[in-house]
Amino acid sequence: GAGVSQSPSNKVTEKGKDVELRCDPISGHTALYWYRQSLGQGLEFLIYFQGNSAPDKSGLPSDRFSAERTGGSVSTLTIQRTQQEDSAVYLCASSDRRQDYTQYFGPGTRLTVL
Amino acid sequence: GQNIDQPTEMTATEGAIVQINCTYQTSGFNGLFWYQQHAGEAPTFLSYNVLDGLEEKGRFSSFLSRSKGYSYLLLKELQMKDSASYLCARRIGGATNKLIFGTGTLLAVQP
Repeated sequence: GAGVSQSPSNKVTEKGKDVELRCDPISGHTALYWYRQSLGQGLEFLIYFQGNSAPDKSGLPSDRFSAERTGGSVSTLTIQRTQQEDSAVYLCASSDRRQDYTQYFGPGTRLTVL
Repeated sequence: GQNIDQPTEMTATEGAIVQINCTYQTSGFNGLFWYQQHAGEAPTFLSYNVLDGLEEKGRFSSFLSRSKGYSYLLLKELQMKDSASYLCARRIGGATNKLIFGTGTLLAVQP
């Protein structure tokens, strides 16, 4: 079946602009995660959605970052007033109880803030 | 990574065996994952250990010792295509299933 998809694959923006990144999880997966990977760094957890439960936002680095998941499927990560330090690859993953919550990753969105 | 340690780089020869070690903080542990990541690509799931011992999957095996906070990934019969970063990640228990990743081990396989 189809894997996790993300769009756009690349995004170049100017400092101060808002950006929206989209994630389509594997069909039927109840859990969805956002991570970011900066150059030379490990993946950093941002936010986690599980079904209709309140999301775990503990990894969001500032209030400029927000995410929503509509209808238990597609998710959008929004970064407001982007800064140069926001430049990174933003990865989305999804998982399901039937696979012991093993996370499967999408190809990522490479964000460059000029 | 947050309390996850693995070597930054390793080099091995095609056809050989390589072991990539990972140590982690044991509190809140709920599983240990290994992912492979080629440059510019998404991490790909390799293995998952939640109980002590060795899990074998073809040329790849992963070992876990929960009491020692230690895991390793063993790659046999190395191929050039195995050149990639190998990411060790521990899962946090409780209401969230988030993963805490190490910074990864960059493996270079040489002819």
